[in-house]
Amino acid sequence: GQSLEQPSEVTAVEGAIVQINCTYQTSGFYGLSWYQQHDGGAPTFLSYNALDGLEETGRFSSFLSRSDSYGYLLLQELQMKDSASYFCAVRDYSGNTPLVFGKGTRLSVIA
Amino acid sequence: GAGVSQSPSNKVTEKGKDVELRCDPISGHTALYWYRQSLGQGLEFLIYFQGNSAPDKSGLPSDRFSAERTGGSVSTLTIQRTQQEDSAVYLCASSPGAPSGSRTDTQYFGPGTRLTVL
Repeated sequence: GQSLEQPSEVTAVEGAIVQINCTYQTSGFYGLSWYQQHDGGAPTFLSYNALDGLEETGRFSSFLSRSDSYGYLLLQELQMKDSASYFCAVRDYSGNTPLVFGKGTRLSVIA
Repeated sequence: GAGVSQSPSNKVTEKGKDVELRCDPISGHTALYWYRQSLGQGLEFLIYFQGNSAPDKSGLPSDRFSAERTGGSVSTLTIQRTQQEDSAVYLCASSPGAPSGSRTDTQYFGPGTRLTVL
């Protein structure tokens, strides 16, 4: 079967750094993605890792270790607008195939 | 350009009725996906269309659910004889067609249809 584990909730202070972890078990693996979803909104793509290492996009970075079946999303210089749910997702087949999503981590940024 | 659109945004129906949910993908995107999201949960894959290939229906929870995609563009998800457990947000996503093995991960989501079955 396929499963992704991520913390259900995280709280962090404005301006701080927060790391959201994701571990996965899938039959195949073709990359780890992260999506952000604000309340009532659509999920939006944040990052994608196919290879081991760190990918940086502005304040957000994503890391992958294929040998550990583990990745994380790192958010720096937190802003109130970063309060949202964050989902990790994997594809277990190549190409345009459906994503398998974790249950999401609800991030609350407090002043 | 225009993103993925879905209609209606909200749908309230009575148990046992049929409903149709519509998705307009981004123009030119060959892949289209339907997901379901229950309150506080992750996204559950339902069905996937890629070009003219037969759809992947492996995620449909029962034979009451069906979907079609006409002309490789607009898709309709139909739920027959709705049950209360069908209440959820139904999300549609599309992605551009790209060769297998390439970086094809980005899926663009619509705003969803919130279905409430009374």
